[in-house]
Amino acid sequence: DIQMTQSPSTLSASVGDRVTITCRASQSISNWLAWYQQKPGKAPKFLIYKASILQSGVPSRFSGSGSGTDFTLTISSLQPDDFATYYCQQYSDYSATFGQGTKLEIK
Amino acid sequence: QVQLQESGPGLVEPSQTLSLTCTVSGGSIRSGNYFWNWIRQPAGKGLEWIGRFYYTGSTNHSPSLKSRVTISGDPSKNQFSLNLSSVTAADTAVYYCARGVVVGARAYFDYWGQGTLVTVSS
Repeated sequence: DIQMTQSPSTLSASVGDRVTITCRASQSISNWLAWYQQKPGKAPKFLIYKASILQSGVPSRFSGSGSGTDFTLTISSLQPDDFATYYCQQYSDYSATFGQGTKLEIK
Repeated sequence: QVQLQESGPGLVEPSQTLSLTCTVSGGSIRSGNYFWNWIRQPAGKGLEWIGRFYYTGSTNHSPSLKSRVTISGDPSKNQFSLNLSSVTAADTAVYYCARGVVVGARAYFDYWGQGTLVTVSS
């Protein structure tokens, strides 16, 4: 199984900050990586696929990068609506595995 | 707009079989462009992919759950289902159904149901 490790587990930031979340795969997954945002009591919301392509309707302050084993999700200027938990997901083969999540908190 | 809705018992006794159904609207499970997936999330924890159904009838499952999982589809009702046998308290979780966009054999999940809590307890 391919393991996905996110860091940090928790991130405290303020509105307007630029933040970066890291996701590392246990083996190369090319650019087969997606990102999701989840708020308490809600289903995950799909943000990014193929490491860097934004889903339609996702604000441009979100961006993704990386390939191989190391990936990042960056939010260029945090908005109040962005405080949530973020998950990466690899889809390099028939299965899917998620990172453990990064909780983005208000400082 | 695609919508997915999970349904099924919220309480299952240990050693029994957990059965859930996902009803899809605004799209067809007969489409070759999508896989139809089950994903779960224990309280306060991360997401775990369980398995998927494809319109041809083929299925794939997580290796860790494979022996206990059955996933099937009913195109006439535009539904797909999950059966998880021999459940224990460790299977207590919110269960989501989700649409997976086909990328070869791969998929990411663009639409999700709202989730349903299943508790395993006597």
